[in-house]
Amino acid sequence: NAGVTQTPKFHILKIGQSMTLQCTQDMNHNYMYWYRQDPGMGLKLIYYSVGAGITDKGEVPNGYNVSRSTTEDFPLRLELAAPSQTSVYFCASSYSERDYGYTFGSGTRLTVV
Amino acid sequence: GDSVTQMEGPVTLSEEAFLTINCTYTATGYPSLFWYVQYPGEGLQLLLKATKADDKGSNKGFEATYRKETTSFHLEKGSVQVSDSAVYFCALYSSASKIIFGSGTRLSIRP
Repeated sequence: NAGVTQTPKFHILKIGQSMTLQCTQDMNHNYMYWYRQDPGMGLKLIYYSVGAGITDKGEVPNGYNVSRSTTEDFPLRLELAAPSQTSVYFCASSYSERDYGYTFGSGTRLTVV
Repeated sequence: GDSVTQMEGPVTLSEEAFLTINCTYTATGYPSLFWYVQYPGEGLQLLLKATKADDKGSNKGFEATYRKETTSFHLEKGSVQVSDSAVYFCALYSSASKIIFGSGTRLSIRP
């Protein structure tokens, strides 16, 4: 039972480069999310999706893009990376947000230099 | 808007001590409330939850009661262990905000 799988676990990106963080879940959850966690801080919502083909912005969407072509996958795209995007990124999914909360992946630690 | 405020850490206790981590919230309507735990190098794991007023969530010896009158959801454990050392996040869900998290409280337990 894999749950939520994120790749890569670590990555160093140069300023101005682009990359995609991968997230896949095998629980058939409709709801999926991307958060970022900065040192000593809580989590900030970047984007979320309530089902395949539907995405919406969270609190801090600037500099990121997402797509949701299947129920299982929810990749996060960084275009023109900036040092301010250095963070740990967590993907999560949910069957019912109100009743069950989220299942999180183990995170991607991204450094932009 | 909705928000969660939890006590700042770090909190350091001796093994077998009593633990309280305070959490208060601001929300319209009737949010669901959660506590998550994050061990070093890992993602967050759901520890316990409560979906309506006066509900008590419990798991692994931890408890929290949803108090609407004081807008609180304090985390408690009667006797902590070294293995409880982690960062604890209080969170709430509302349809307007999705799940929003407090800033986290780092807990360290001395043997």
